[in-house]
Amino acid sequence: RKEVEQDPGPFNVPEGATVAFNCTYSNSASQSFFWYRQDCRKEPKLLMSVYSSGNEDGRFTAQLNRASQYISLLIRDSKLSDSATYLCVVKEGAGTALIFGKGTTLSVSS
Amino acid sequence: EPEVTQTPSHQVTQMGQEVILRCVPISNHLYFYWYRQILGQKVEFLVSFYNNEISEKSEIFDDQFSVERPDGSNFTLKIRSTKLEDSAMYFCASRPSANQPQHFGDGTRLSIL
Repeated sequence: RKEVEQDPGPFNVPEGATVAFNCTYSNSASQSFFWYRQDCRKEPKLLMSVYSSGNEDGRFTAQLNRASQYISLLIRDSKLSDSATYLCVVKEGAGTALIFGKGTTLSVSS
Repeated sequence: EPEVTQTPSHQVTQMGQEVILRCVPISNHLYFYWYRQILGQKVEFLVSFYNNEISEKSEIFDDQFSVERPDGSNFTLKIRSTKLEDSAMYFCASRPSANQPQHFGDGTRLSIL
């Protein structure tokens, strides 16, 4: 069974904090990796793709460890607007469906 | 920026009835998807559609479900003989090519009474 596992949280942090989310996936043949963000009762929105060498987009840094089948997302200098559920998503091949984790909920407070 | 649009935003239906959920993918996209999310649970893949046929489907997508692209712009999901457990948020997604990200519509909330 194809699984993507995440710590559900919630993570409650103050503004300005650094927070890290982790994710593991079960299929070693998985090819593509993403972090999506989902606000309450809204559609998932792509936050960033995750590349083998690691990648950064502003305050967000994603890392991939293929040997451990582990993906991470680091958010620096948290903003109130970062409050959402962060979904770890895996794709096994070109054109195939996305496999979602259940998500990790982040709540940033002032 | 072009968007995937879904209608209706909320559908309430009696158990046993048929429903059709509608999606208009982004116009130059070639791959189309339906996902669902039961309240409090993860987003689950239902079906993918490419070149006018189903390319992949999950174990959830049984004979109760069907998809159609009737006119080159709409992409529909039909659920026959609905059950209480079909209550969920249904998301349509599309992408231009196999290696591009999927764009999601804002979903149809289906409530079965």
